Amino acid sequence: GAGVSQSPSNKVTEKGKDVELRCDPISGHTALYWYRQSLGQGLEFLIYFQGNSAPDKSGLPSDRFSAERTGGSVSTLTIQRTQQEDSAVYLCASSPRGGTASYEQYFGPGTRLTVT
Amino acid sequence: DQQVKQNSPSLSVQEGRISILNCDYTNSMFDYFLWYKKYPAEGPTFLISISSIKDKNEDGRFTVFLNKSAKHLSLHIVPSQPGDSAVYFCAASAGGGSNYKLTFGKGTLLTVNP
Repeated sequence: GAGVSQSPSNKVTEKGKDVELRCDPISGHTALYWYRQSLGQGLEFLIYFQGNSAPDKSGLPSDRFSAERTGGSVSTLTIQRTQQEDSAVYLCASSPRGGTASYEQYFGPGTRLTVT
Repeated sequence: DQQVKQNSPSLSVQEGRISILNCDYTNSMFDYFLWYKKYPAEGPTFLISISSIKDKNEDGRFTVFLNKSAKHLSLHIVPSQPGDSAVYFCAASAGGGSNYKLTFGKGTLLTVNP
């Protein structure tokens, strides 16, 4: 079946502009995560959605970052007034609910964001 | 403060030999551990996992060992193949029924030479 998809695959933007990154999770997966990977670093948790529960935003680095998940499916990560330190690969992952499967996240290919 | 550490940024092994990738963690609340493999320009792919109540999990050529007292886990690949060349990330979760967010190490680049 189809995996997690993300768009765009690459985005170059000027400092100060807003950007929107999109994630389509695997159909039926109730949990959705956003992570980012800066150069030479591991993946850093940003935000978590589970069903209709309030999202866990504890990983968002500043109030310029926000995310939505509409209808329990597609998610959009928005970065306002982008800064050069926002340059990274933004990865989306989804997982099913139930038992140990809840831990196993399936990642999309990522969006490489470059802020110039 | 890194809660998951992969102290070897790279590892090179010969085809057919064993690859051993190591990972240390500091958070005793972690209850599940995973290894992901990542090729360039692709997202991480789940490889193998282990619950904190076990000390070993095996899947084909891949075996993960967990030493809770030492807060250490390792991934063994036997025999190593050139197609195994990738970045390997160790990850941990303190999910326990709520947020299953993963905490990742910085990764180890494995190169398997033919």
